[in-house]
Amino acid sequence: QKEVEQNSGPLSVPEGAIASLNCTYSDRGSQSFFWYRQYSGKSPELIMFIYSNGDKEDGRFTAQLNKASQYVSLLIRDSQPSDSATYLCAVNPGGTYKYIFGTGTRLKVLA
Amino acid sequence: GAVVSQHPSRVICKSGTSVKIECRSLDFQATTMFWYRQFPKQSLMLMATSNEGSKATYEQGVEKDKFLINHASLTLSTLTVTSAHPEDSSFYICSARNSRQSSSPLHFGNGTRLTVT
Repeated sequence: QKEVEQNSGPLSVPEGAIASLNCTYSDRGSQSFFWYRQYSGKSPELIMFIYSNGDKEDGRFTAQLNKASQYVSLLIRDSQPSDSATYLCAVNPGGTYKYIFGTGTRLKVLA
Repeated sequence: GAVVSQHPSRVICKSGTSVKIECRSLDFQATTMFWYRQFPKQSLMLMATSNEGSKATYEQGVEKDKFLINHASLTLSTLTVTSAHPEDSSFYICSARNSRQSSSPLHFGNGTRLTVT
């Protein structure tokens, strides 16, 4: 069983819609959760991080964490074509320095 | 915000030569840095964990004698690809976290695109 799982996509949404990206993780003791965006040919860039159950909002982005169900999601409101990229979920299990990455979900926002 | 500088961004070398890639944390100390490799349309693959002042920890299947890692200071790690072959052509990315902040996010360098001819 993979430690961090994401649907590879592509997830296609029309411009202006809400894109919902999901990630599940296997280590129940995980403490920190991160979302990165990676454009083709570029390195990942940090979008958001979340540590506590619930929602965390930053502009058009909302991260949602549910530790009981072991999932973390990223919502992108008012999606733009420039949001088209691969979104990587990363988890930092408690007590270690390692960051476990999912394989990423490719998002396509259609103009 | 935290910045990780990686150099060079692009390098072309001949088979059999060695290439050094530098990774610097510009505004924070990083006792641990990570080196990844990514082939086109594939996921990030962790190659090794670079530890300041001690030996790097390599992931299974990564040759430590081929990919030499040195982490001589709290802000600098280097990856040297020795005796490069065309199959080593890839996108190499380093990342680092702020050692002084628990649960600090990883910040990535801009990557180095290596082409071995």
